[in-house]
Amino acid sequence: QITLKESGPTLVKPTQTLTLTCTFSGFSLTTNGVGVGWIRQPPGKALEWLALIYWDDEKKYSPSLRNRLTITKDTSKNQVVLTMTNMDPVDTATYYCAHRRRNEYFDYWGQGTQVSVSS
Amino acid sequence: NFMLTQPHSVSESPGKTVTISCTGDSGNIVLNYVQWYQQRPGSAPTTVIYEDNKRPSGVPDRFSGSSDSSSNSASLTISGLKAEDEADYYCQSYDASTVFFGGGTKLTVL
Repeated sequence: QITLKESGPTLVKPTQTLTLTCTFSGFSLTTNGVGVGWIRQPPGKALEWLALIYWDDEKKYSPSLRNRLTITKDTSKNQVVLTMTNMDPVDTATYYCAHRRRNEYFDYWGQGTQVSVSS
Repeated sequence: NFMLTQPHSVSESPGKTVTISCTGDSGNIVLNYVQWYQQRPGSAPTTVIYEDNKRPSGVPDRFSGSSDSSSNSASLTISGLKAEDEADYYCQSYDASTVFFGGGTKLTVL
């Protein structure tokens, strides 16, 4: 059974760096074809893809946020970490991590973690 | 950036059929698969259709998907509407370097 869970701060101040951790079970990020992605959703708004890391350590980023994002994996801990620099109130959102099966199909999602950006 | 456009909202009566469109603004999204996610308030998205027209286990066959290269679009069709189908629906696709979601469609079952 695949499960994912996001963790991190619920409140960050503007200009700070956000670090979110996705801890997963039921699969390995060393398995060919597997990936973990991050997606966010501001209150009342649409889903927005942020980043994706693959079993072979290939990484992809949203073009509009590329210069602020870093995604890494720790296969020994079954974790994927997303950092986002220079946080702004517009980054207030629920952040989800999700398991990528193939063809960028996210078949399992975490419950999401709410992050507010405010001074 | 490539964008996927969905109607902001659709509504239909129980028992009827509704179709939600997802149109790419450039290129040909049929070259890459389209997924459809259902999201109820306060919950994470769940998949109703993947790879254009496949249903995950547990999703009723009232849900179907298709893609049309001539119109550069994909569609999600829900037949025999039930009150429980009321939710937001998002299409999602990708290209060589990015993943993108549509803006979402709010389905109201009248």
